[in-house]
Amino acid sequence: SQTIHQWPATLVQPVGSPLSLECTVEGTSNPNLYWYRQAAGRGLQLLFYSVGIGQISSEVPQNLSASRPQDRQFILSSKKLLLSDSGFYLCAWSVLLIRNLEAFFGQGTRLTVV
Amino acid sequence: DAKTTQPNSMESNEEEPVHLPCNHSTISGTDYIHWYRQLPSQGPEYVIHGLTSNVNNRMASLAIAEDRKSSTLILHRATLRDAAVYYCILRRLGGAQKLVFGQGTRLTINP
Repeated sequence: SQTIHQWPATLVQPVGSPLSLECTVEGTSNPNLYWYRQAAGRGLQLLFYSVGIGQISSEVPQNLSASRPQDRQFILSSKKLLLSDSGFYLCAWSVLLIRNLEAFFGQGTRLTVV
Repeated sequence: DAKTTQPNSMESNEEEPVHLPCNHSTISGTDYIHWYRQLPSQGPEYVIHGLTSNVNNRMASLAIAEDRKSSTLILHRATLRDAAVYYCILRRLGGAQKLVFGQGTRLTINP
C-alpha cells in the first residue's frame, strides 16, 4: 500500500537559519507531489507542485524553494527563515488516473520561527 | 482555477444528518468535485469525489446538481469525530491536477 512520510513533526528554528523539510512516498511511481502551508487559523496555501523529477512549479513568490531529486522525494528548503515562514507544512501526492483522483497528505511539520 | 463558495461554519447534532453545501458556478466540463476534511492538527483527508452523478461511499454521499453548479456533501449520521473543516474543491483532469483549497466550512457537532 502507499504511504507518505514527512519529517520532522515539529521544528523550532531561529530567524535567518536554513530549513530543509523532506517528504517521501512509498508504494507508487511517478506521483504528482505538492507542498502546502497553513498559517495559524488560516486555510491551506499551495506552495509548490511537481509532476516529475526536477520539475517544480511555484504557486506563490516566497522565501522558499522546492526540489525533487528522486521520483518519490520532495524537499522544501529555505536559505534564511523569516518569522512569516511559521506554519503547518503539508506534503501530498496523487497519481494521474481518472478513476483514482484522491490526493494523500502527510501528517505535517509544524514550524515555528523564533 | 474555478472557485467554490461554502458557508464559513455549520452546526449539527450528533446522530443527525448533515448537509454541507458548495457552490461552483464557474465549473468546467473537466472539473471533478472533490471533498476533503481536516481534523485539528492533521493533514486533510479525502472524503469523496464525483463528476456528474451522485456518489456514495462509506464516509458520505455526494449529491451533484444537474447543472453541476452546486453540490452537497451528506453525512448521514454525524458523530463527534466528524467535527472538522470540510473543503469543497474543483480538480481539473490533466496536468498537475492541483488541489486548491478555499476556506472551507467548519462543522461543529453537538453531543
